[in-house]
Amino acid sequence: GDSVTQMEGPVTLSEEAFLTINCTYTATGYPSLFWYVQYPGEGLQLLLKATKADDKGSNKGFEATYRKETTSFHLEKGSVQVSDSAVYFCALRRRSNYQLIWGAGTKLIIKP
Amino acid sequence: DSGVTQTPKHLITATGQRVTLRCSPRSGDLSVYWYQQSLDQGLQFLIQYYNGEERAKGNILERFSAQQFPDLHSELNLSSLELGDSALYFCASSGVAEETQYFGPGTRLLVL
Repeated sequence: GDSVTQMEGPVTLSEEAFLTINCTYTATGYPSLFWYVQYPGEGLQLLLKATKADDKGSNKGFEATYRKETTSFHLEKGSVQVSDSAVYFCALRRRSNYQLIWGAGTKLIIKP
Repeated sequence: DSGVTQTPKHLITATGQRVTLRCSPRSGDLSVYWYQQSLDQGLQFLIQYYNGEERAKGNILERFSAQQFPDLHSELNLSSLELGDSALYFCASSGVAEETQYFGPGTRLLVL
């Protein structure tokens, strides 16, 4: 069945470091792909999305490119800040029934 | 602010009891989704309603039920509560295209 695999956390980085959080998926057809972020004590917020192969989603300095050949949607940011500390979730949306399939989440800790 | 509201924010109750969680979707959104987030199970999809009708079912226990009312708000009923039901319960909503889900701040349930 469809699934999403994220790198295990926590990921600990220093401020201004380069960030990559890996996400790979297994799906039939051509799903849409999403990154959501959950700040401490809050709900999930949509960070970015891509709906077809080679699309790049971007927001707040974060980027992710839909790579069909490697079935990946890795999240990147060139220079992280302490305020980026949160849990990041990768998800795919089936075109057949609109359900979101979630990764386990990756906790990111940024140290000053 | 996603525009999705949930009440109450916190709920403390005892085993065996019944509670009702309420969700108001973003204005104009027809779909409502319920999720459970716990430390050991991660983010689990429970159920989706679209314009008052059940659309999809996930890992929802028989002790749990939900409905969506004509004004599109939704309620999740949890009965015969067990310690393991302690979790964050999120509601999300999406529009006609059902492309992106917007999450509420969640209800934190503690069963003692």
